[in-house]
Amino acid sequence: DQQVKQNSPSLSVQEGRISILNCDYTNSMFDYFLWYKKYPAEGPTFLISISSIKDKNEDGRFTVFLNKSAKHLSLHIVPSQPGDSAVYFCAARGGNTPLVFGKGTRLSVIA
Amino acid sequence: EAEVAQSPRYKITEKSQAVAFWCDPISGHATLYWYRQILGQGPELLVQFQDESVVDDSQLPKDRFSAERLKGVDSTLKIQPAELGDSAMYLCASSLSGLLEETQYFGPGTRLLVL
Repeated sequence: DQQVKQNSPSLSVQEGRISILNCDYTNSMFDYFLWYKKYPAEGPTFLISISSIKDKNEDGRFTVFLNKSAKHLSLHIVPSQPGDSAVYFCAARGGNTPLVFGKGTRLSVIA
Repeated sequence: EAEVAQSPRYKITEKSQAVAFWCDPISGHATLYWYRQILGQGPELLVQFQDESVVDDSQLPKDRFSAERLKGVDSTLKIQPAELGDSAMYLCASSLSGLLEETQYFGPGTRLLVL
């Protein structure tokens, strides 16, 4: 059973617009959440994280929102750039659980 | 900038052969992870080391997979014998001490193809 779900396998956005990537989780023990970006033939690169004591964390063009009651988080990229085209993984951990990843969402930013 | 190193980057082998992957974590990182990523899936943890000790190998298929980190620095993951279903990307990651809110830094991975 998937504990971290990214229900959209792909997303296309025009350059300059907002990209919103969504992630749902089922394990209520999760209390730390991360987003990783992955280019082809490279390992995942850390992007941004959020602790369960917060509901928002911002870093430049990237903002992560956490809704604990809905067990949902989202990554907003504003404005989107062609270089943001990659696969984005949502990941979560808590207590003694290892980091659990979703299946990823492929973002394509069209110039 | 410090990086996690992995080799080889690509490996093609025949089923029933033995393969080995090497990982050198970021200097000073006590915690080392091996993940397997099957195409279309997210990475899944195989084994976690704290220094030279295994702290989690619950998802490691121990009949054919083994991992070691003898001196608490670099690590080797071995598969013997390889099976067709082992074709995947094998990722190594490291973090400073394995605490909950530490970032794990990933290497470029080894892509394995078993024929």
